[in-house]
Amino acid sequence: SQTIHQWPATLVQPVGSPLSLECTVEGTSNPNLYWYRQAAGRGLQLLFYSVGIGQISSEVPQNLSASRPQDRQFILSSKKLLLSDSGFYLCAWIPRNALSSGNTIYFGEGSWLTVV
Amino acid sequence: DAKTTQPNSMESNEEEPVHLPCNHSTISGTDYIHWYRQLPSQGPEYVIHGLTSNVNNRMASLAIAEDRKSSTLILHRATLRDAAVYYCILRMGTYKYIFGTGTRLKVLA
Repeated sequence: SQTIHQWPATLVQPVGSPLSLECTVEGTSNPNLYWYRQAAGRGLQLLFYSVGIGQISSEVPQNLSASRPQDRQFILSSKKLLLSDSGFYLCAWIPRNALSSGNTIYFGEGSWLTVV
Repeated sequence: DAKTTQPNSMESNEEEPVHLPCNHSTISGTDYIHWYRQLPSQGPEYVIHGLTSNVNNRMASLAIAEDRKSSTLILHRATLRDAAVYYCILRMGTYKYIFGTGTRLKVLA
């Protein structure tokens, strides 16, 4: 079966510290991968998406970066966190063979980041 | 980019139908209309999607206007477990799913 794993689930980081959130997908190959952020009480903001290894598209210029070192691995990073980076971060994926059918996007359980 | 507009919040009584509207006046011919819902502290879950025709599944129905500039998610009998934020989103092109701010549905017992 196809599953998505995202970690850590919760973290508290000081301002100026680095960040690394990791997401892996199992049971599929060559998926589209996504990072979304949700600030408290707000909607979901698309941050990055990737259609293949090493291919990253950035939607919003900011203090974050993403990398896809392997087919089913997507990493969200920051060199120096800001208070405004706090939020709920969600990794998501779409099966490659479902793209033409308007199929669904599947989300991980999310990571709560609090920058203090 | 095309965007969606939804009311911020709606209320419904338990066991009654709920109609959640969404406007997407700038939709293009290839954009699919998707609906997701999100419970507190969880990732969004898929509800339903469509392109031109009305759609039904075990969770809900999706009514799409003939000009495709609006759609309505229909929950036939709301339960307390349906209380969530409902997002109407467009899949733009092959890769991008853009979420709006959604509608917070409150179900009254």
